[in-house]
Amino acid sequence: DSGVTQTPKHLITATGQRVTLRCSPRSGDLSVYWYQQSLDQGLQFLIQYYNGEERAKGNILERFSAQQFPDLHSELNLSSLELGDSALYFCASSVTFIKTDTQYFGPGTRLTVL
Amino acid sequence: AQTVTQSQPEMSVQEAETVTLSCTYDTSESDYYLFWYKQPPSRQMILVIRQEAYKQQNATENRFSVNFQKAAKSFSLKISDSQLGDAAMYFCAYRSGSTSGSRLTFGEGTQLTVNP
Repeated sequence: DSGVTQTPKHLITATGQRVTLRCSPRSGDLSVYWYQQSLDQGLQFLIQYYNGEERAKGNILERFSAQQFPDLHSELNLSSLELGDSALYFCASSVTFIKTDTQYFGPGTRLTVL
Repeated sequence: AQTVTQSQPEMSVQEAETVTLSCTYDTSESDYYLFWYKQPPSRQMILVIRQEAYKQQNATENRFSVNFQKAAKSFSLKISDSQLGDAAMYFCAYRSGSTSGSRLTFGEGTQLTVNP
């Protein structure tokens, strides 16, 4: 158990819908990262937050957005869902963002878009 | 942009034997970190081992060790005395040493099967 929690574990929804994935980092960690794992794109970085502020952005679609709240939990919002958004979405956390930090991953949320 | 390549989509090993998984990367940076993550059937991403590019000594964690060849940009993972629980997808990952480069860039993964 990494100490990072993600809810829900599974999510099934229809095209065009909007969903919210939630992540709670390890106690004491200020940085949260979101990654997407899909069959055709592999594992790719979406976005990072540090202490409530967006710090880095990767291959995140405009239909996707995220935020980190004062209690440090983070939410990833996916809207106008398409079949291709079906994937495993991971949250990871680290103490800060310095290069010596290790990222610890949560168990992931499996999103299925029908 | 940095890229990570794992050229072996699948590997298999007999229980108690040794197996080596390959990884190459491309970067123009001199300061970076390399990782191997394990993803078992549970889909959880588990850190196996990390290597700092400035360290010449290869990292070791129990039965897991790496062969880090900086000039060749190669970072292979050796698993000794393979166990059934080692069966998983293994991902090689790169992280820049710059303060703005905290994202992980992953390879395509190698599916390891351990035969009893």
